[in-house]
Amino acid sequence: DQQVKQNSPSLSVQEGRISILNCDYTNSMFDYFLWYKKYPAEGPTFLISISSIKDKNEDGRFTVFLNKSAKHLSLHIVPSQPGDSAVYFCAAVEGTGANNLFFGTGTRLTVIP
Amino acid sequence: EAQVTQNPRYLITVTGKKLTVTCSQNMNHEYMSWYRQDPGLGLRQIYYSMNVEVTDKGDVPEGYKVSRKEKRNFPLILESPSPNQTSLYFCASSRPGGRPPYNEQFFGPGTRLTVL
Repeated sequence: DQQVKQNSPSLSVQEGRISILNCDYTNSMFDYFLWYKKYPAEGPTFLISISSIKDKNEDGRFTVFLNKSAKHLSLHIVPSQPGDSAVYFCAAVEGTGANNLFFGTGTRLTVIP
Repeated sequence: EAQVTQNPRYLITVTGKKLTVTCSQNMNHEYMSWYRQDPGLGLRQIYYSMNVEVTDKGDVPEGYKVSRKEKRNFPLILESPSPNQTSLYFCASSRPGGRPPYNEQFFGPGTRLTVL
């Protein structure tokens, strides 16, 4: 059973606008969450993460929000750029220091110039 | 350059013919793992290794073997491949628990395997 879910397989956004990618999880024991970005023919690369003790983490144009009560997190990209077009994976891990990641199914973001 | 390498990048084989996909990392990471990516299913962990000679099953280990005789290498072995193992495979490595983002895994470029 999928413990991390990304219900939107794809998203299209105009350049300069905000992109919001969503992720839901079912395991309340998850305490660290990560977003990965994947370009075609490449492996996923780490983008941003958030600990369960926080509700927001910001890194430049990327912000991740965590709502523990709703078991929901989102990635905001603003402003969106054509180079952001990629597949974004949400991932979660149980236990600080653990390395076993549970990934969502991914959302393909297309930023239209 | 810090990286995870996989070979081959592309492989077409036939059912039952044993194959090995190699994975190597140059970051001195203790932790290594294998994932497969399938449409609609995302990335699923096959096997992982916490250190040399320490391996354990992930979510989808059936039909796969691994070994970790050296810290830098973590080969994935398919003893008798079947068509349902046609997939995109990724190797990853990370440092163990400690300063965040300790869960950040560095991925290889992927191996696309087709089993006929």
